[in-house]
Order: sequence, then C-alpha cells, then structure tokens
Amino acid sequence: GQQVMQIPQYQHVQEGEDFTTYCNSSTTLSNIQWYKQRPGGHPVFLIQLVKSGEVKKQKRLTFQFGEAKKNSSLHITATQTTDVGTYFCAGDNTDKLIFGTGTRLQVFP
Amino acid sequence: DVKVTQSSRYLVKRTGEKVFLECVQDMDHENMFWYRQDPGLGLRLIYFSYDVKMKEKGDIPEGYSVSREKKERFSLILESASTNQTSMYLCASSLAEGPWGGNTIYFGEGSWLTVV
Repeated sequence: GQQVMQIPQYQHVQEGEDFTTYCNSSTTLSNIQWYKQRPGGHPVFLIQLVKSGEVKKQKRLTFQFGEAKKNSSLHITATQTTDVGTYFCAGDNTDKLIFGTGTRLQVFP
Repeated sequence: DVKVTQSSRYLVKRTGEKVFLECVQDMDHENMFWYRQDPGLGLRLIYFSYDVKMKEKGDIPEGYSVSREKKERFSLILESASTNQTSMYLCASSLAEGPWGGNTIYFGEGSWLTVV
C-alpha cells in the first residue's frame, strides 16, 4: 500500500544549529500537511502545502513541496529549545491521509 | 477554537475487559478519526467516520470497533482488550467535502491505555 516515509527518525542538535526532516511518498500527493507534537502532547497542525514546488515560511520554519508532489521537507533555522518535539508529515492522496513515522527532535542548550 | 475532548487521559484495564474510549468534538465536523500512536510506528489509523452511523476501516482495525450515533461523538471500543493494545489513542476531527477534503485534522489530548 501507499507509504509515507520520514527521515531521520531522531535528531539531536545543539541549540542554534539547523535541522531538516524529509518526507517521501510512494505515490503522488494532492497536498501535504505538517504537524508538531510536543512531548506529552498531541499533534498540532502547522501548515499545508498544495502546489508543486511550493515553499512556505513560518518564522524560522521553511516548508517545501517537491516538484513531483511526492516529497516534502521541513527546515528549522537556528533551533531553539522550544522546537523540541516530534514533527509529522501527512500525505493526502485524496483517498486518505497517511502520516509519516515522524522525526523526533531534541535540542540541547 | 476547535475542541476535541477525549473522556479519559489515562486508563489501566485487564486483559479481556471491554474498553470504551469516548471522543467529542464541538465544531460540527463531519469527519472523525481514531489513531493509535506507538514509538517508531507513528500514527496509524484504526477507523474513521465521515457521517453519523457511517464508519470505514483504517489500516489497523482488527480488535477494534467504533460507534457514531451522533455527529459530535465518536467512540472506540476494544471488545476484549489485549496487552498488544497498550498504546496512546488519539481521536481527531476535520471538516470535509466528501471523505477527504484536504482539511486540517484537529487532535484530542490523547488517551494512554495500559492493558495488564
């Protein structure tokens, strides 16, 4: 069946370093969503990308949707301890929404 | 703001018990979902519903059933709990134009279930 793979599974960074997580789908997506889950919390919607090649920014976060609409990335510039959590992508192929396995980010001060 | 409320935050049940997890949303959303979250496996869809009394199997429906008698309420039922059902269960809801409208999913706080 359709899969959405996310790498890396874990990432430990020093505060101030950059961080990137990648999301790859086995099929073309109509859109992709990103969610953040703080430790002990629930996933919270961050953003949705719809267009091929789309790039969106939220402060230090940059989201990209690939030209073929099969991959996406989330890049955080100059991480802060408040960025700690698990980041999930979720691919929508109009049939269902499939979550990636998530990337757990740990930021050391 | 959308509110998705799960009735129990932490539960401990014995093997073989019947378990009910309740979820209520207050935004008149058509779609409701039950996921389970396990380390290294991400979020896996158990069941979803896009209308009252309608339900569809997700990726891992075995050992679970659901009930949606009212639009705002979606219940997950473990007919006979087993230890491999120890997990965090997340309820969610979204608007829809059809089953999947590319709309934001709003999650509840989660229910931590331990089966001993």
